[in-house]
Amino acid sequence: QSALTQPASVSGSPGQSITISCTGTSSDVGGYNYVSWYQQHPGKAPKLMIYDVSNRPSGVSNRFSGSKSGNTASLTISGLQAEDEADYYCSSYTSSSPLVVFGGGTKLTVL
Amino acid sequence: QVTLRESGPALVKPTQTLTLTCTFSGFSLSTSGMCVSWIRQPPGKALEWLARIDWDDDKYYSTSLKTRLTISKDTSKNQVVLAMTNMDPVDTATYYCARSLPSGRYNFDYWGQGTLVTVSS
Repeated sequence: QSALTQPASVSGSPGQSITISCTGTSSDVGGYNYVSWYQQHPGKAPKLMIYDVSNRPSGVSNRFSGSKSGNTASLTISGLQAEDEADYYCSSYTSSSPLVVFGGGTKLTVL
Repeated sequence: QVTLRESGPALVKPTQTLTLTCTFSGFSLSTSGMCVSWIRQPPGKALEWLARIDWDDDKYYSTSLKTRLTISKDTSKNQVVLAMTNMDPVDTATYYCARSLPSGRYNFDYWGQGTLVTVSS
């Protein structure tokens, strides 16, 4: 069982927006602004999409945005495209056991 | 450009020790704040952080696997090595190494392509 809780799956049509949640505790998501989001296509390595809750690395589309409220972080993808279909993982620094915990992953299907 | 590549055996027997090497380029692990982690992913399952080594040789381990893991670095060779003892079939996974920058030591901006390790007799 993963330390951070994500929905197993979400779906949306091209052009729509979707949001993936990531729920933790005050020892991780709620206590620190060190939440990251990764995109993983089948058979590929994860790719950093969001870091420190809401920052995008250079080269990542501005259709991807992150936020946090309390113990829950969220990844929003606007203007869904077919290429966005992938697994998405959140992660956070944790003070309860070193150092980083991941969520269980969410499969995004673009209908 | 930054690259990382994992290498090691594709198949290990139960109770054996797994040794994986991460060979990287495009950055130096002697740069203040730089870190390299190991992360694994069982087939069809989620990512799991295993261990991290820092530029100053500080080391951090997953609490659940701490007794079985050893991480080390050879700065001159641009390599990080992970050893995991007493391998079990549940340790079958793709093992990744990944870099963390000084400005973002709790996220991973570059990853290797991963190496699949199967534990079976």
